[in-house]
Amino acid sequence: AQKVTQAQTEISVVEKEDVTLDCVYETRDTTYYLFWYKQPPSGELVFLIRRNSFDEQNEISGRYSWNFQKSTSSFNFTITASQVVDSAVYFCALRPYSGGGADGLTFGKGTHLIIQP
Amino acid sequence: KAGVTQTPRYLIKTRGQQVTLSCSPISGHRSVSWYQQTPGQGLQFLFEYFSETQRNKGNFPGRFSGRQFSNSRSEMNVSTLELGDSALYLCASRPDGAGANVLTFGAGSRLTVL
Repeated sequence: AQKVTQAQTEISVVEKEDVTLDCVYETRDTTYYLFWYKQPPSGELVFLIRRNSFDEQNEISGRYSWNFQKSTSSFNFTITASQVVDSAVYFCALRPYSGGGADGLTFGKGTHLIIQP
Repeated sequence: KAGVTQTPRYLIKTRGQQVTLSCSPISGHRSVSWYQQTPGQGLQFLFEYFSETQRNKGNFPGRFSGRQFSNSRSEMNVSTLELGDSALYLCASRPDGAGANVLTFGAGSRLTVL
């Protein structure tokens, strides 16, 4: 069984502050994929990043960065210089590498990020 | 390139009725999966279809079913609706090969059961 925990239910920061969203996962699979998705009020889940379990390099994309640490089973997401448009619910998700991709994503409960102007 | 299209966007049903939701994947995507999102349980995997065959199913009762057509469009059906079936139902599609594990989601169908 797999599990994804996002302990922060809601985070509120003032615009331009940096904010980190935590994600901890549990899996018995040795290889797997990790994802982050963003869900704005419109409801559509927007893909942000995919990380393979055998690639522990951190990644930066503009104001977004991701810190993957296999030793602590964590895949944290940092937004630098947050903006009001970053306000959304963010989900971390896990999928096993095996199964030809047919296995569903296991999602965390999400973190509601509020960026105040 | 058009995204994943779900219809209807909103619907209201009463207990005991049934409902059918539709999903048109991104052109060329043969895999379609469905998820249920509720405030209590969060996002949960329902099932995935590939080339008209169900490849995997989540832990949902038999009232939840789906199918996929030869053009990759998919439908899901919920029979004998219960109040707890009120949710946002999200459809997603993914390509074969490279990037196969990246799902693109539609905007969802919000079902309210009264």
